[in-house]
Amino acid sequence: LAKTTQPISMDSYEGQEVNITCSHNNIATNDYITWYQQFPSQGPRFIIQGYKTKVTNEVASLFIPADRKSSTLSLPRVSLSDTAVYYCLVVRRDDKIIFGKGTRLHILP
Amino acid sequence: DSGVTQTPKHLITATGQRVTLRCSPRSGDLSVYWYQQSLDQGLQFLIQYYNGEERAKGNILERFSAQQFPDLHSELNLSSLELGDSALYFCASSVAVQGANNNEQFFGPGTRLTVL
Repeated sequence: LAKTTQPISMDSYEGQEVNITCSHNNIATNDYITWYQQFPSQGPRFIIQGYKTKVTNEVASLFIPADRKSSTLSLPRVSLSDTAVYYCLVVRRDDKIIFGKGTRLHILP
Repeated sequence: DSGVTQTPKHLITATGQRVTLRCSPRSGDLSVYWYQQSLDQGLQFLIQYYNGEERAKGNILERFSAQQFPDLHSELNLSSLELGDSALYFCASSVAVQGANNNEQFFGPGTRLTVL
């Protein structure tokens, strides 16, 4: 089972780019890297998923180096509403899912 | 709105009791997942069902059981409740081709269970 490690918390300011890095040293060949966002008392919301290199959508970018042992979620020009918990998951096709404690991102005005 | 519905929104009960939480997945989603989130434990995966069959199992206690019905809705049964079972219980659903759980999951609003 692939375990992930990410910072417990981060602070940033409105308008800045925020990068949250997650390490997953024992990632397996068929594992995908997925990020979710969660606001208080709400269910998590899917942000982005990738397998290798770079993936970009309207919300974020995900950078995955060639060895896939880490990944970086990049949030461009954050706003106060991006204050949330961000979870990095390494998902294996037929295995249980580990969310971990996530990174509490606090955006300051 | 994710399209996943959960009932009830809130549930208050006493220790030793049994409750049933209900989840309706998004239209067309065959996989349903259950999670428990308490303050000190984070988001814990309990169990996944795909088209009526159990697919993956997490840290689900023996006092807890779940099932997915032919209409694809799912129920999580919690029995012999303890104070420590107080938590938010989330249901999620996904397309999950062939039951694979590496697809985007859509989470419901959750059921807040309080055990007194």
